[in-house]
Amino acid sequence: RKEVEQDPGPFNVPEGATVAFNCTYSNSASQSFFWYRQDCRKEPKLLMSVYSSGNEDGRFTAQLNRASQYISLLIRDSKLSDSATYLCVVNPNFNKFYFGSGTKLNVKP
Amino acid sequence: DAGVTQSPTHLIKTRGQQVTLRCSPKSGHDTVSWYQQALGQGPQFIFQYYEEEERQRGNFPDRFSGHQFPNYSSELNVNALLLGDSALYLCASSLAELSYEQYFGPGTRLTVT
Repeated sequence: RKEVEQDPGPFNVPEGATVAFNCTYSNSASQSFFWYRQDCRKEPKLLMSVYSSGNEDGRFTAQLNRASQYISLLIRDSKLSDSATYLCVVNPNFNKFYFGSGTKLNVKP
Repeated sequence: DAGVTQSPTHLIKTRGQQVTLRCSPKSGHDTVSWYQQALGQGPQFIFQYYEEEERQRGNFPDRFSGHQFPNYSSELNVNALLLGDSALYLCASSLAELSYEQYFGPGTRLTVT
């Protein structure tokens, strides 16, 4: 079983739509969770950390469900510039990181 | 403030050859991690270096080795190249106490023929 699993998509949504991605992880002892964004042919960039209490950054909201071992990312009022691949990252211990395969988002005008 | 830099940008090698990839971390960072990203996949953790030692390793064979220098820059070496080693190799730097906040370089695209 993979350490981190994501729906590859693509998710094709119109501008202004709300879209949500989920990601499941296998190691229940995992400590930290993150969402990264990767544009086509570019390096990944940290989008946000995911806390047990949930956290929000503008149009982006991340949630963690430890009991079910999944994390989610909600994007409200989608913009064309949100088109990218979103990578779920799990940190099972302090110095090792497992990335999911990514979920591709296409925001259409 | 210089970000993470990697060299070369692209590289073509033949099966069985050896390759060395280089990474300079973001200014002020002391920890370097290496990742392999195959087409359509997420980055796979190879190993992490801190204080010139390998601190953590992913599920990669011994053909993959690395080094960190006193100035925190790092090299990734791959011996006996296989066709399956063709991928984008990403370097990420961070501060040891904030290792979750990783900054990635643009990567080296390795093609093995």
